[in-house]
Amino acid sequence: TQLLEQSPQFLSIQEGENLTVYCNSSSVFSSLQWYRQEPGEGPVLLVTVVTGGEVKKLKRLTFQFGDARKDSSLHITAAQPGDTGLYLCAGDSGTYKYIFGTGTRLKVLA
Amino acid sequence: NAGVTQTPKFQVLKTGQSMTLQCAQDMNHEYMSWYRQDPGMGLRLIHYSVGAGITDQGEVPNGYNVSRSTTEDFPLRLLSAAPSQTSVYFCASRVLGSRNEQFFGPGTRLTVL
Repeated sequence: TQLLEQSPQFLSIQEGENLTVYCNSSSVFSSLQWYRQEPGEGPVLLVTVVTGGEVKKLKRLTFQFGDARKDSSLHITAAQPGDTGLYLCAGDSGTYKYIFGTGTRLKVLA
Repeated sequence: NAGVTQTPKFQVLKTGQSMTLQCAQDMNHEYMSWYRQDPGMGLRLIHYSVGAGITDQGEVPNGYNVSRSTTEDFPLRLLSAAPSQTSVYFCASRVLGSRNEQFFGPGTRLTVL
């Protein structure tokens, strides 16, 4: 069974701080996606990374795919209250199935 | 475009009751799927479909049935509800093929007493 472990599970920080969320697996994925979910809504895609070692930036968010395509990280610079939410990684197992991580719940305090 | 729509938004069932969660999309996506979301466990795939008339099981299919008679609709049936099925259910759709964005509905919060 493929698993994606995210850490930390919960994170509460002050506005302006930096943070990193990790997504780790023992399995190789052909691509990996990061989603953000707000309360009462479905997840919304932030980014897809495909190549080992790939780095993508989305404003203050930086996403990296591990060289072996087994892990990924999300770094947020100068976090803002609007970044509050549940962050989910999802790996494409290549058999029509996306495996979702356990989630990181982020709260940014003003 | 409405995107992915789900009904109902909330539902309370008694153990043993049956019901159908509705999901529809207007983006002509071939791929549709159902997930359940439980605290600390992310989203787990229940069933998925790669086109009308084609369905397959995900990680946690027991207790659920699906059918796909049209491209637009993908209902999820609970045959005999159990308290362990208390969860938030999300329907999603995407263009078939890897790396494509999944579009999620707003979810159905189901409580089984």
